[in-house]
Amino acid sequence: KQEVTQIPAALSVPEGENLVLNCSFTDSAIYNLQWFRQDPGKGLTSLLLIQSSQREQTSGRLNASLDKSSGRSTLYIAASQPGDSATYLCAVSGTNAGKSTFGDGTTLTVKP
Amino acid sequence: DADVTQTPRNRITKTGKRIMLECSQTKGHDRMYWYRQDPGLGLRLIYYSFDVKDINKGEISDGYSVSRQAQAKFSLSLESAIPNQTALYFCATRGAYDNSPLHFGNGTRLTVT
Repeated sequence: KQEVTQIPAALSVPEGENLVLNCSFTDSAIYNLQWFRQDPGKGLTSLLLIQSSQREQTSGRLNASLDKSSGRSTLYIAASQPGDSATYLCAVSGTNAGKSTFGDGTTLTVKP
Repeated sequence: DADVTQTPRNRITKTGKRIMLECSQTKGHDRMYWYRQDPGLGLRLIYYSFDVKDINKGEISDGYSVSRQAQAKFSLSLESAIPNQTALYFCATRGAYDNSPLHFGNGTRLTVT
C-alpha cells in the first residue's frame, strides 16, 4: 500500500526567503506526482504535475522535482511572499486503478 | 464557471437525516472521485467511478453511497448521517489515463449535529 509523507507538517518563514517542501512515498511504481495548494476551508488548486518520466517541472517561482528511485519529491518556492501562505499537499498516482494517495500536507506561513 | 462544481457549499444537518452532495463537471472526464478531508487525516477516498456503469468503493465507503447519473454527474449520499461524518467533502475528476492530473471542486463543508 502506497504511503505518502510530508515533512515538516508546518513551516514559518520570513518574507523573501527561498524554501523547500518535502514529499516522500513508499512505492516507486507511480505514474505521476501532483502538488496542490489549499487555502483554509477551500478547494485544492493544482500547482504542478510531474510525470514519472520527468525530473522536474517549473511554474513561475515554483519548481518541483521528482526522484522516483528514492521515493522523493521537493517543491521549491523562490522569494516567498505572504500570499504563499497556505497548505501544500502532494498526491501520488500509482498503478492502483487511477487512484491517488495524498500526504497530510505542509502548512506554510510567510511572515511579512 | 468552475470546471468541477459541488453543491451545496455548506450544509448543516441532524443525526439520522439523509443527505445528498452533488458534483457536476464540464471537463468531459470519465473518472470521478469523492474524497473527505479531516484535520490530521488528510484526504481519504470514499468512492470512485470510471464511467456510468463502473462504480467502486474507496477506503472509507461505509455509511456512504453514490450514484453516477451521467458522465458529468456524480452524487454522494449519506443514508443516515452521524456526527463523525462531519468533514470537508471534495469531488475530483481525472481524464482517461492513469497519468492524467486530478481536478478538484471547491468542496462541501458538512456538519452533522
